[in-house]
Amino acid sequence: GAVVSQHPSRVICKSGTSVKIECRSLDFQATTMFWYRQFPKKSLMLMATSNEGSKATYEQGVEKDKFLINHASLTLSTLTVTSAHPEDSSFYICSATRGEAFFGQGTRLTVV
Amino acid sequence: GDSVTQMEGPVTLSEEAFLTINCTYTATGYPSLFWYVQYPGEGLQLLLKATKADDKGSNKGFEATYRKETTSFHLEKGSVQVSDSAVYFCALAHSGGGADGLTFGKGTHLIIQP
Repeated sequence: GAVVSQHPSRVICKSGTSVKIECRSLDFQATTMFWYRQFPKKSLMLMATSNEGSKATYEQGVEKDKFLINHASLTLSTLTVTSAHPEDSSFYICSATRGEAFFGQGTRLTVV
Repeated sequence: GDSVTQMEGPVTLSEEAFLTINCTYTATGYPSLFWYVQYPGEGLQLLLKATKADDKGSNKGFEATYRKETTSFHLEKGSVQVSDSAVYFCALAHSGGGADGLTFGKGTHLIIQP
């Protein structure tokens, strides 16, 4: 099946710094990718839809200036958490769709 | 808005036991329903899906039937194995393959003991 690769799987950063997470579709082109966030014991929440060559579409309540999304090519979307704070610590997951949604392995972000 | 509610975990069973993980949903229209599984250290994988009322999705011995009258999509397996230990997510989407994004439940951690 199709593979979506997410990197890094874990990252620890200092408060106030920025962190970039990459999501790649390895064997297909994805004009649309999705970013989700999961808090402990909570659902995966859709944060934004990443559109190749255009601006991302953010869900209500998600700060677009905090979570920068760039979908520069048909196989790569990046999520940058800017000026990270401890409350941004979470599990971030991306997905790309080819008939069905394929998910990356997720990134555990810890802001200290 | 849309929402998915599934039973809290962890659920611990012995090998060969019968499994049911309950899932109910709230949504407008006629969504497609999904079960995803996440094995340790891996990404979410589609386990099964159903796109209309009374459809039954099945895969790897797991089954779930789309019940519109009870807005449910309960996951069942007749005889679980240790290798079924994972986190299971119920989800819905308003497009067949989740092309418009998915709404997930909180996930149920299943632990199968030998």
